[in-house]
Amino acid sequence: GNSVTQMEGPVTLSEEAFLTINCTYTATGYPSLFWYVQYPGEGLQLLLKATKADDKGSNKGFEATYRKETTSFHLEKGSVQVSDSAVYFCALRANNNDMRFGAGTRLTVKP
Amino acid sequence: DVKVTQSSRYLVKRTGEKVFLECVQDMDHENMFWYRQDPGLGLRLIYFSYDVKMKEKGDIPEGYSVSREKKERFSLILESASTNQTSMYLCASSSGRRVKNIQYFGAGTRLSVL
Repeated sequence: GNSVTQMEGPVTLSEEAFLTINCTYTATGYPSLFWYVQYPGEGLQLLLKATKADDKGSNKGFEATYRKETTSFHLEKGSVQVSDSAVYFCALRANNNDMRFGAGTRLTVKP
Repeated sequence: DVKVTQSSRYLVKRTGEKVFLECVQDMDHENMFWYRQDPGLGLRLIYFSYDVKMKEKGDIPEGYSVSREKKERFSLILESASTNQTSMYLCASSSGRRVKNIQYFGAGTRLSVL
């Protein structure tokens, strides 16, 4: 079946450090891939998405590239800020409309 | 902007009570979803609906039911709440059936069953 695996947290970084959160997926066909972010006390918000192979999604300094050959969609940011502290979810939506989320990775950025 | 509103941010209920969680969206979306979020497990789909009066079971429907009498409203019902239903519940909506369509989420309801 369809599934998403993302790196376990928590991740703790200092401000201005480089961030990578790994995400790999299993799916039939050609899924769309998403990163959602959940700030403390809030619901999930879409951070970025990519709908076909080699697409790069980007938003707020975050980037992720849809790599079909490695079935990956790793999230990166060159310089994190304290305000980036949140839980990040990788997700896919498969051709059969099945939506799957990863377990979430908690990021804490310290000043 | 799409707005998905969940009626309560926090609820405390007793074992055996009947619990209603309400969700309203204002963008005329066809699809609505209920998830529960638990640490280390991510989001798990309870029920979803593609149209008024239609409902489909998700991955963990046991102990829950849903109601969609109007397009904008999707209710999650715990017929007899149990302590293992203590969780964060998230409602979402989306339009159409296209694979790239985004789900929009409410702020969540944190339910504690004592």
